[in-house]
Amino acid sequence: DQQVKQNSPSLSVQEGRISILNCDYTNSMFDYFLWYKKYPAEGPTFLISISSIKDKNEDGRFTVFLNKSAKHLSLHIVPSQPGDSAVYFCAARLDQTGANNLFFGTGTRLTVIP
Amino acid sequence: EPEVTQTPSHQVTQMGQEVILRCVPISNHLYFYWYRQILGQKVEFLVSFYNNEISEKSEIFDDQFSVERPDGSNFTLKIRSTKLEDSAMYFCASSGGLYNEQFFGPGTRLTVL
Repeated sequence: DQQVKQNSPSLSVQEGRISILNCDYTNSMFDYFLWYKKYPAEGPTFLISISSIKDKNEDGRFTVFLNKSAKHLSLHIVPSQPGDSAVYFCAARLDQTGANNLFFGTGTRLTVIP
Repeated sequence: EPEVTQTPSHQVTQMGQEVILRCVPISNHLYFYWYRQILGQKVEFLVSFYNNEISEKSEIFDDQFSVERPDGSNFTLKIRSTKLEDSAMYFCASSGGLYNEQFFGPGTRLTVL
């Protein structure tokens, strides 16, 4: 049951450069997408989200892009900072009344090299 | 800044024993969730809870699992008879509204021997 996929388990980026984390999904009924960041020994922390009616949402250094036809979303972090080093999870929610359970990807470990 | 807290941080138990994992959601939140993450795998939804009843549950959440909000602050997950495959990180989350972002606790690592 791989409805949300993050095919890159890890990514290394130089400080100051752009980090691009990718996520693909298979269920066309997903209507809301979120990115969470997770440090070791902590729970996932909400970063940014996007509704399926939009194709871009920006919040400071973080921008999420959604391509519905390709069932693909990406998180851009620019400029990347060493403190951004963490595991990033993509999550999606179904377009279903009363439903708010999240489907998570397997995560991408981002390492930002100083 | 308000946060979700979970206790204990690590629980070790023998197979067949009952465990109760505890969570204190953010105080003005109304929706509560349990997720788990088996080592090396993705975070998986278990159950959501609203207005003192379960609103959704996944296939994982079978009869061995139960949730309760025994008072105005705690939200608990009980596993009646633990199995080896229940070993995982269990995350509690809460949200202020049905479609609001979910805030996660730090997790409880459950180890079943």
